[in-house]
Amino acid sequence: EMQLVQSGAEVKKPGESLKISCKGSGYSFTTYWIGWVRQMPGKGLEWMGIIYPDDSDTRYSPSFQGQVTISADKSISTAYLQWSTLKASDTAMYYCARTSMRDAFDVWGQGTMVTVSS
Amino acid sequence: DIQMTQSPSSLSASVGDRVSITCQASQDISNSLNWYQQKPGKAPKLLIYDASTLETGVPSRFSGSGSGTDFTFTISSLQPEDIATYYCQQSDNLLFTFGPGTKVDIK
Repeated sequence: EMQLVQSGAEVKKPGESLKISCKGSGYSFTTYWIGWVRQMPGKGLEWMGIIYPDDSDTRYSPSFQGQVTISADKSISTAYLQWSTLKASDTAMYYCARTSMRDAFDVWGQGTMVTVSS
Repeated sequence: DIQMTQSPSSLSASVGDRVSITCQASQDISNSLNWYQQKPGKAPKLLIYDASTLETGVPSRFSGSGSGTDFTFTISSLQPEDIATYYCQQSDNLLFTFGPGTKVDIK
C-alpha cells in the first residue's frame, strides 16, 4: 500500500525552529515529486512547494519562498519541511502529498498540526 | 502566478440533487486541472485529474469537464457522504495553485 506517514503534532514558541517529516512507503519514493500544503485553521489549501527526492530539485510557491526550507533524504524515503524562526502565523495543519505523473496530488499524508504560541 | 477562483463558495442541496461547482483559471491551463474532496478533520482526496479523468475507485456520480480557463465539477446525485469542501487545483510547470474551495452540505 502506498502511503505517506508524517511526524506528530508540534507545539512551539515564536522564534523557535522546527523540522517536520514525511516518510513514504509502498512505491518508488525517489521518482515522484513530494509536495507540501498548508491549511490554516478554518481556511483553504495553500501549495507551498515540491521536491524531487532523487536529486533534491526543489520549487517553491512565491508566497513561501524564503519562509520555509524543503529537503529530502532519499536513503530513508523521507521529505522534510523546516522553519528557522517560527511565527504565530505559522500555526496550521501541514500536509505532504505525492505528485502523480499527471501533476495531481494522489497520495496524502495524514497531516502534521503545528501550533506556535507563547 | 496563475490564480484560481471557484463558485459558489458554499451551497446547500438535497440528497439526490445534481450539484455543480465552477472553477476559473486566470490564464489558459489546457486541461491541467484537478479536483479534491476534503472532509472535516481529514486529508484531501483526489477525485478527478486532467479536468475529466476519474481517479481509480472514485464513484461515477462525480465528473469533471472543461479546458482552457473554465472548468466544472459535478455530482450527479448528491449523497450524504458527499458533505465536504471541494477544491480545484491547477498545475503549470510544477507550480501549483488551489482554488479557495466550495463547501457542500445537505439542505
